[in-house]
Amino acid sequence: NAGVTQTPKFQVLKTGQSMTLQCAQDMNHEYMSWYRQDPGMGLRLIHYSVGAGITDQGEVPNGYNVSRSTTEDFPLRLLSAAPSQTSVYFCASSRQGLNTGELFFGEGSRLTVL
Amino acid sequence: GIQVEQSPPDLILQEGANSTLRCNFSDSVNNLQWFHQNPWGQLINLFYIPSGTKQNGRLSATTVATERYSLLYISSSQTTDSGVYFCAVGWTSYDKVIFGPGTSLSVIP
Repeated sequence: NAGVTQTPKFQVLKTGQSMTLQCAQDMNHEYMSWYRQDPGMGLRLIHYSVGAGITDQGEVPNGYNVSRSTTEDFPLRLLSAAPSQTSVYFCASSRQGLNTGELFFGEGSRLTVL
Repeated sequence: GIQVEQSPPDLILQEGANSTLRCNFSDSVNNLQWFHQNPWGQLINLFYIPSGTKQNGRLSATTVATERYSLLYISSSQTTDSGVYFCAVGWTSYDKVIFGPGTSLSVIP
């Protein structure tokens, strides 16, 4: 049972480039979310999804897009990377709602934007 | 607004010592979890504990929802306990989970 899998683990981009962080879970969880972690800021919610075809914004959604075409996958897209998006990104899933269910995290993706 | 506080912010322990980490929150909760972020950055589930007491080996946690706090106890600490401990809280009236700022723990031999 792989749990929550994120790829890539490390990525370096130049300003203006685009990329997609992949997230997949094999626990048949309805709820998935993306967080970013910055020094002194803790973990902040970027976007979340309550099921296939349904997404919504979190605390810091600007500069990021998401989609949820299947239950298993929840990719995070950066359309035009900026240095302010240098961070560690975590994907999480839960069986129940974001505010009631136990969260399970992937191992993180470290992104550097030059 | 909704707030989650953790104390202490930093803690240094001698191996074998015990410690208590605290998480305070500003409203009644229906979801509380404790996580350990190890030095490699992985977030590891410790406890899902919206109320009551749970134990897992040397770690235990207690949440008193009516008094708006949760405690994480670490007994006989080991160097592998080093890292950052986060509590994360969810409320019925707010469909997201809020993370506390974390407690950074260093256990020295």
